[in-house]
Amino acid sequence: DAGVIQSPRHEVTEMGQEVTLRCKPISGHDYLFWYRQTMMRGLELLIYFNNNVPIDDSGMPEDRFSAKMPNASFSTLKIQPSEPRDSAVYFCASSLAPWLAGANPDTQYFGPGTRLTVL
Amino acid sequence: KNEVEQSPQNLTAQEGEFITINCSYSVGISALHWLQQHPGGGIVSLFMLSSGKKKHGRLIATINIQEKHSSLHITASHPRDSAVYICAVHSGGGADGLTFGKGTHLIIQP
Repeated sequence: DAGVIQSPRHEVTEMGQEVTLRCKPISGHDYLFWYRQTMMRGLELLIYFNNNVPIDDSGMPEDRFSAKMPNASFSTLKIQPSEPRDSAVYFCASSLAPWLAGANPDTQYFGPGTRLTVL
Repeated sequence: KNEVEQSPQNLTAQEGEFITINCSYSVGISALHWLQQHPGGGIVSLFMLSSGKKKHGRLIATINIQEKHSSLHITASHPRDSAVYICAVHSGGGADGLTFGKGTHLIIQP
């Protein structure tokens, strides 16, 4: 398997523009997670899905952020409108088990990340 | 929300040294995770602990639930171990119950 695939790897956009980040999880993984990493706040879990259904979006910062998973092999994270404070690296990860509560197997596989810069 | 503290923030050691990275948290948890972030940015999930100890190769992770503390040890350290090591704890609930530490930046010099 190619691992978790994210696109684009880098995105530079201007404030106010819509940004769409994409993720393809590992085939067969039931759980998909979106994270954000900044220097100030470190890693944060934004939302996660189980079998394509959003389970918990309590980490999503505000209404400008939305995530979808239309099928088992594809998810998007959209920011509309984007702001400079959204600049960060966004990671997608997938796993066989919920990972959060210590379920086994306990490995989560991360994608390479998308580095977003909002000017 | 759980407060997660990692120490040290930065650590430089010589190849072959025994390395210890610490993680303390303030509220009881259901699970603790150790992650490794490579210099290029890629993240690898190393361990999940809810009690006791786990070992994988030269890496050992321990947790003391009563003291709210975990340690990650690296034996016979090697330059390829150079990375940021991140501790994450889950206090229950959903996504907002997951808290990450700021990470320990480890450099192993040949």
